[in-house]
Order: sequence, then structure tokens, then C-alpha cells
Amino acid sequence: AQKVTQAQTEISVVEKEDVTLDCVYETRDTTYYLFWYKQPPSGELVFLIRRNSFDEQNEISGRYSWNFQKSTSSFNFTITASQVVDSAVYFCALSEDPGNTPLVFGKGTRLSVIA
Amino acid sequence: DGGITQSPKYLFRKEGQNVTLSCEQNLNHDAMYWYRQDPGQGLRLIYYSQIVNDFQKGDIAEGYSVSREKKESFPLTVTSAQKNPTAFYLCASGTGTEYPYEQYFGPGTRLTVT
Repeated sequence: AQKVTQAQTEISVVEKEDVTLDCVYETRDTTYYLFWYKQPPSGELVFLIRRNSFDEQNEISGRYSWNFQKSTSSFNFTITASQVVDSAVYFCALSEDPGNTPLVFGKGTRLSVIA
Repeated sequence: DGGITQSPKYLFRKEGQNVTLSCEQNLNHDAMYWYRQDPGQGLRLIYYSQIVNDFQKGDIAEGYSVSREKKESFPLTVTSAQKNPTAFYLCASGTGTEYPYEQYFGPGTRLTVT
């Protein structure tokens, strides 16, 4: 069975600090996809990144970066120089075939960035 | 614009009443999903459908029913048998076998049952 664990329930940082959100996953599939979503107070899920199991390159997008390590089954998300607008709940998710089958979500990490 | 619409955004019902949540997509996606979100619980799968006239139960299907008569529509009925129906409900559609192999989410419906 697939499982996603986000051990950090809530994190609070001061603006401009860097913060890393942890994600550990379990799957027996050799091919799978990992995702990060942001959920602001409005509730809508905002897609941040998709990574497949064959691509272990780290990715950077502006202040966001992701560290995928198959050896430790982790897909961590770092926000550099955090801003108040980054305050949200962040979800990590996993699927063997995300176009056709459901996503398995972690319980989310609530990030509060304080000015 | 292509996307997923859910209506209404907020829904209030009395206990014992059935209620149907709407989900429509114009992305031409075959797969559609219903997830439920409770505080601190993440998103849990209720039902999903990979093709018209077919659907599968998810982890928490008890007390819910769905239909998939049209590709564009996947309504969810919350029945009176659902013991704790108050939650945030998210609908999604999936790209199937086409790149970029992902799901797109609607804005959600927040259901409150009293």
C-alpha cells in the first residue's frame, strides 16, 4: 500500500527565514509520481510540482526548491526567504499513475509566516 | 476557460437530509475523483471514476453515492447514512494516459450539516 507521511503538523517562521517541509513516502511501485500542493485559506489546491521516480534531479523555481532522494524515500520542499503570502497548508502526494488513479495525500503541514 | 467547477461553494443542510454536490469539467478528462478534507486529516478518497458509467469506491465511501452518466459530470450525493458529513469536499479530474499525467482540482464545496 502507498503511504505519505508529513511529520510536521505546523511550522511557524519569521519572514525571510528559510523553511523546509518534510515528506516521506512508501510505495512498492518502481514507477510513481510525487506532488506538492499549496492550499491557501480559500481552500483551493494549487499545484506546485510533479516529479516522477526516474528523475532525481533537484528542482528550483524562484524561492521554491525540492530535494528528491529515492534512497531515503523523501521529497522535501524548501522555501527560501519566506514571505507572509507563503502561509498556507502544504500537501505532499503520491500516485503510481496520477492521470488515471487517485492520489494518496499526506496530512499536510500548516506553515505560518509571521511578519 | 477550461477547468473544473463545483457548486455551491458553501452548502448548509439539516441532519437527515440527502444533499448532492455538483462537479463539472470541460477538460475532456476521462478520470474524475471526489476527496474529502477534514481538519488535520489531509485529503481522503471517497469515490473515483475512470470512465463513463463506471466508478470505484475509495477509502471512505460509506454514506456516499455517485453517478457518472456523462464524461463532464460526476455528482456526489451525501446521504443521511453518512455519520459525519460536515467537511470540505474537493473534486478533481485526471489527464488519463496523456501527459502531464496529473489531476486538476476544483475550488471545493464546504458542507455544513446541523
